[in-house]
Amino acid sequence: QQQVKQSPQSLIVQKGGISIINCAYENTAFDYFPWYQQFPGKGPALLIAIRPDVSEKKEGRFTISFNKSAKQFSLHIMDSQPGDSATYFCAAISSGGYQKVTFGTGTKLQVIP
Amino acid sequence: EAQVTQNPRYLITVTGKKLTVTCSQNMNHEYMSWYRQDPGLGLRQIYYSMNVEVTDKGDVPEGYKVSRKEKRNFPLILESPSPNQTSLYFCASSPGTGTGEQFFGPGTRLTVL
Repeated sequence: QQQVKQSPQSLIVQKGGISIINCAYENTAFDYFPWYQQFPGKGPALLIAIRPDVSEKKEGRFTISFNKSAKQFSLHIMDSQPGDSATYFCAAISSGGYQKVTFGTGTKLQVIP
Repeated sequence: EAQVTQNPRYLITVTGKKLTVTCSQNMNHEYMSWYRQDPGLGLRQIYYSMNVEVTDKGDVPEGYKVSRKEKRNFPLILESPSPNQTSLYFCASSPGTGTGEQFFGPGTRLTVL
C-alpha cells in the first residue's frame, strides 16, 4: 500500500519550461517532506525539503509548494534545463524516534533542448 | 570524503545461493537503511538500524536479513535468493537528527537466475 502517491510517472518538458511533479500523502503523522533527485547509475540525493508549517520553500530554480489541508505537495522546477533530466522522488518522514522514510514511486523527467 | 560504499556493485547469482551485500559509511551516522528500487514501485525500505545491535523491519523484509555489529557497517544478507529479489539495492545512512537527510550509496544491481 503506497502511502505517498506521486504523479506523473514520466514527464517531458522543453528547455526553459516549468516542470511540475505532484505528491499526495495520507498519514497525518508525516512532518517532513524531502525531494530526492537521482541520476542514472547513482543513488538518490537530497534536493530540497519542507516542513508542514511552511506553504512554500524556494531554492534557486526549485520550489516546493505544500498544502497541508489537502495533504499534497509539489515540486516546481523553473527554467528547466537538460541537466535536470533525472528521476525525482518525493518522500515523507514521521519523526519521533527513528525517522522512517516513505518514498513515492518516482517521476522520470526528460528536458529536451 | 564522506560517503556510503556498497559492494559489489553488480552481482549475478543463482537461486538459493547465499549472498551478502556489504555497506559501509564513514560519517559516524546512527541510522542505516536498506532499500530496493523497482520500476514503478520507487524505493521500498527493507530493513533499518537505529544503532549497533538495533535493527527493525521495513516495508518489504521477507527473504532478507541484516546485522549491525559495528556502527559503520550494515550488511544485507540473502540466505536463499529467489528471482523476485532481482532488483537495484541501495544502502543509506542518516544522522537521525535535524533534517533526517538520507545519504545513499551507489547501488548494487542484483540478478537472481
